[in-house]
Amino acid sequence: GNSVTQMEGPVTLSEEAFLTINCTYTATGYPSLFWYVQYPGEGLQLLLKATKADDKGSNKGFEATYRKETTSFHLEKGSVQVSDSAVYFCALTMDSSYKLIFGSGTRLLVRP
Amino acid sequence: DAMVIQNPRYQVTQFGKPVTLSCSQTLNHNVMYWYQQKSSQAPKLLFHYYDKDFNNEADTPDNFQSRRPNTSFCFLDIRSPGLGDTAMYLCATSTPTGIIETQYFGPGTRLLVL
Repeated sequence: GNSVTQMEGPVTLSEEAFLTINCTYTATGYPSLFWYVQYPGEGLQLLLKATKADDKGSNKGFEATYRKETTSFHLEKGSVQVSDSAVYFCALTMDSSYKLIFGSGTRLLVRP
Repeated sequence: DAMVIQNPRYQVTQFGKPVTLSCSQTLNHNVMYWYQQKSSQAPKLLFHYYDKDFNNEADTPDNFQSRRPNTSFCFLDIRSPGLGDTAMYLCATSTPTGIIETQYFGPGTRLLVL
């Protein structure tokens, strides 16, 4: 079946450090890929998305590239801030499906 | 701003006492979803509506029901909450616009069953 695997957290970084959160997927077909962010006590916010191979999603300094050859959608940011501390979920959806399949989430903690 | 609104934000109920959670949207989206998210876990889809068509996930307990009286509102009813139903409940909406089916989430209702 379709699934998403994320690196386990927590990931602890100092402010201005480089961030990578790994995400790989398994899918029968060509999924759309998403990163959602969840701040403490809040719902999920769409961070970025990509719909086809080699697409790059970007928002608020975060980027992720849809890599079909490695079935990956790793999240990166060049310089993290304390306010980026949150849980990040990688997710996929298939054409004609309404179901979002989430990874287990990765908690990011950024220290001043 | 167009948005997804959930009420209440926090709800405490007793074991076995029915509870209703509310979701409304100003996005005019066709599809509305309910997710359950337990502590430190990913959201789990309970069911969704496409317009008035109800779609239940196979592993959603019978204890969970939903109503969608109109496009804007959707309710989650838990008929006899158990301690294991303590969780964050997330409502989301989407609308079919070609390839991407992006879901927009509300802030969630945190339910505590005592």
